[in-house]
Amino acid sequence: AQKVTQAQTEISVVEKEDVTLDCVYETRDTTYYLFWYKQPPSGELVFLIRRNSFDEQNEISGRYSWNFQKSTSSFNFTITASQVVDSAVYFCALSQGGSEKLVFGKGTKLTVNP
Amino acid sequence: SQTIHQWPATLVQPVGSPLSLECTVEGTSNPNLYWYRQAAGRGLQLLFYSVGIGQISSEVPQNLSASRPQDRQFILSSKKLLLSDSGFYLCAWSVKSPGHQPQHFGDGTRLSIL
Repeated sequence: AQKVTQAQTEISVVEKEDVTLDCVYETRDTTYYLFWYKQPPSGELVFLIRRNSFDEQNEISGRYSWNFQKSTSSFNFTITASQVVDSAVYFCALSQGGSEKLVFGKGTKLTVNP
Repeated sequence: SQTIHQWPATLVQPVGSPLSLECTVEGTSNPNLYWYRQAAGRGLQLLFYSVGIGQISSEVPQNLSASRPQDRQFILSSKKLLLSDSGFYLCAWSVKSPGHQPQHFGDGTRLSIL
């Protein structure tokens, strides 16, 4: 069975603070894919990153960075120098095996205050 | 570039009435298509997915059905809506290629059942 846990339900920070969103996953497959999506207040889901299980390299994209650690089954997301526009619900998701179906975590609501 | 359209954006329906939500994708052919529901509390649940015309897989038993009459058209329907059908419905597409490609989401439909 596959499962994604985002233990942080809500996080509130002040602008310019760094913030890390945690994601822990469970899977029995050796081949799987991990994703992060952003859902701003308008509701649409915006794709941020995709990672396969064979690539443990961390990735940085501007103020965003991702830390993938298979040893702890975690795929954490860090926003550096947060901005008010980063306020959103962030979802971590997992797909595995022959199916491309996504299993989502319950999301972390991030509020960045000015 | 590829785009996905969902309509209507908002819908208020009485209990027992029928439902039809439509989703179309432009700029790609033979995509995988998905319907998700997001109930209050933010979790996303996969309802249906389709790998081709007329090919529908249902993920959870429910009051809803889906159809794919054309390559880039995905329809979510119900003959009689229940109060529990309220929620935020999202359509998504992904390309067919090696590895699990990201799913790209529409703007969603907010459905309220009275």
